[in-house]
Amino acid sequence: DAKTTQPPSMDCAEGRAANLPCNHSTISGNEYVYWYRQIHSQGPQYIIHGLKNNETNEMASLIITEDRKSSTLILPHATLRDTAVYYCIVRVAFHGSGNTGKLIFGQGTTLQVKP
Amino acid sequence: GAVVSQHPSWVICKSGTSVKIECRSLDFQATTMFWYRQFPKQSLMLMATSNEGSKATYEQGVEKDKFLINHASLTLSTLTVTSAHPEDSSFYICSASWGGPGEQYFGPGTRLTVT
Repeated sequence: DAKTTQPPSMDCAEGRAANLPCNHSTISGNEYVYWYRQIHSQGPQYIIHGLKNNETNEMASLIITEDRKSSTLILPHATLRDTAVYYCIVRVAFHGSGNTGKLIFGQGTTLQVKP
Repeated sequence: GAVVSQHPSWVICKSGTSVKIECRSLDFQATTMFWYRQFPKQSLMLMATSNEGSKATYEQGVEKDKFLINHASLTLSTLTVTSAHPEDSSFYICSASWGGPGEQYFGPGTRLTVT
């Protein structure tokens, strides 16, 4: 699986948008970009994933550059409860034919939302 | 969304004993389950991948005779830490997937302390 690079930490003011960048310059054509977050002492929580088009759900938006070498996760109105470690992961989406679908976690970005 | 549970949420055991951790998918059938370990202030490290009815595939460096994984049904996988030692103290997290596109669902984690 391709590796990703994320800043180790970021701060954001409560109520403002949090923009978390991720570089994945070696991503393959069949690899998706996934975002998870982990609040302290809990299991990771799925946020969003995408292939090449921008995606939006009730939690966040995912903006993927045209060359797919980087992406940005946007939390539109950050709250204190969004304080967590955010992981950007690339992997093939579909299982089967020898693909296990496993996720390899990097160090992530620690987002601190401040009042 | 899909729910994954783990039991127990925390356990303390004596060195040399074995501990079993259960991972259940509550509202979907999980063809694949994954086990991770996380030490304090570190990222998640994938230990093994298990498919229902077959032997688990362990990541490099993970002792399969020490960390026994059983995935006997589509809703249950177990991780047994055999002859536990203090260095096995960690946060163990499972995740489950039905093999389709999209996300894995993570359990809340089990904190193991070996004294």
